[in-house]
Amino acid sequence: GAGVSQSPRYKVAKRGQDVALRCDPISGHVSLFWYQQALGQGPEFLTYFQNEAQLDKSGLPSDRFFAERPEGSVSTLKIQRTQQEDSAVYLCASSVQGEDYGYTFGSGTRLTVV
Amino acid sequence: RKEVEQDPGPFNVPEGATVAFNCTYSNSASQSFFWYRQDCRKEPKLLMSVYSSGNEDGRFTAQLNRASQYISLLIRDSKLSDSATYLCVVTTNAGKSTFGDGTTLTVKP
Repeated sequence: GAGVSQSPRYKVAKRGQDVALRCDPISGHVSLFWYQQALGQGPEFLTYFQNEAQLDKSGLPSDRFFAERPEGSVSTLKIQRTQQEDSAVYLCASSVQGEDYGYTFGSGTRLTVV
Repeated sequence: RKEVEQDPGPFNVPEGATVAFNCTYSNSASQSFFWYRQDCRKEPKLLMSVYSSGNEDGRFTAQLNRASQYISLLIRDSKLSDSATYLCVVTTNAGKSTFGDGTTLTVKP
């Protein structure tokens, strides 16, 4: 597609529920990144894929967070047993190749845990 | 201390003013530098890369000082449409980008 597509746009989850957030990057973009953005703060790094390989997952806050990109295109960020502190905007970005070209972000998924 | 620090502002300036934002970073291994713009409740959008020699794009000028680990963004002749949050971004060769918390600019008529 023309841009990075994320779904759903908004998600309300009850505490303890599992959620799955989807990212469809720009076609041909090798690198894919997930970020978490809390209100009033900059995006915080979660994880990074190059094709299907997850090269860095150091930013995932707990083992409740899991990301995959099995065929090197679409990626899913899964959060198990959601907690209120997981409420944030989850941004996906893709890039032609790693760090030198800047990112194109999707519109994000706004997750609210009640 | 955060890896990337920015003055949060807000900066409130009249149309036509010149305004400058500063950013410092702590990781001396950082390799690539960017400014992004983020409008309220929207995703960040790449504004410009920052090079050691300095670079200009229309009314926007970015500078990098590696020795001082300092990045700046200068906006000349501010427009109402420049009102946004400006995010400083630093990337290591491991592919991870670290964002500052942003500087908020409001341009008033």
